[in-house]
Amino acid sequence: GQNIDQPTEMTATEGAIVQINCTYQTSGFNGLFWYQQHAGEAPTFLSYNVLDGLEEKGRFSSFLSRSKGYSYLLLKELQMKDSASYLCAVRDSNYQLIWGAGTKLIIKP
Amino acid sequence: GAVVSQHPSRVICKSGTSVKIECRSLDFQATTMFWYRQFPKQSLMLMATSNEGSKATYEQGVEKDKFLINHASLTLSTLTVTSAHPEDSSFYICSAPGQGGSSPLHFGNGTRLTVT
Repeated sequence: GQNIDQPTEMTATEGAIVQINCTYQTSGFNGLFWYQQHAGEAPTFLSYNVLDGLEEKGRFSSFLSRSKGYSYLLLKELQMKDSASYLCAVRDSNYQLIWGAGTKLIIKP
Repeated sequence: GAVVSQHPSRVICKSGTSVKIECRSLDFQATTMFWYRQFPKQSLMLMATSNEGSKATYEQGVEKDKFLINHASLTLSTLTVTSAHPEDSSFYICSAPGQGGSSPLHFGNGTRLTVT
């Protein structure tokens, strides 16, 4: 079956750095997405990786290793507004999106 | 950028009634739209894929007679929850794929349905 694993919850301090990991086992691979979702709101797109390596976008970076079935989202200079759930999603060989359960990130002052 | 508009954002209805949720692509055409449901503290669950001009494709376990999907035009898909029950209370979100391989899904703002 297809499976995406990410930690259920993480806690970090304002101003610090946090890394949210995502491992996947899917039938084929056509890209990996990270989304941010605040409580009661729809997800918003953060990043896309299809080739190995690091994609940097401001305070957020996303890394992919296809051989390891692994990605991480790195958030720097954490702000209170970064408190949210972070969803990892992989597009499989049929171009279907497989969603992880999400990681709830709690930022403490 | 691509915008998906979803309406209503919040609805409360009585058990046994039907509720229609609309999802519009405002500045692009969407031959396909996805309908998700999300229960509290859980991830997105794909309910069905809406296809313009043809029948929707439902995921396993989703009752097609209860969740009616219509995609009559390239910019509008609707989800009707028929004979709603309290267990149907959830957050329903529609989305449309962007153009190109690297484009993400564009999500509507979601509809919070509460069935009393």
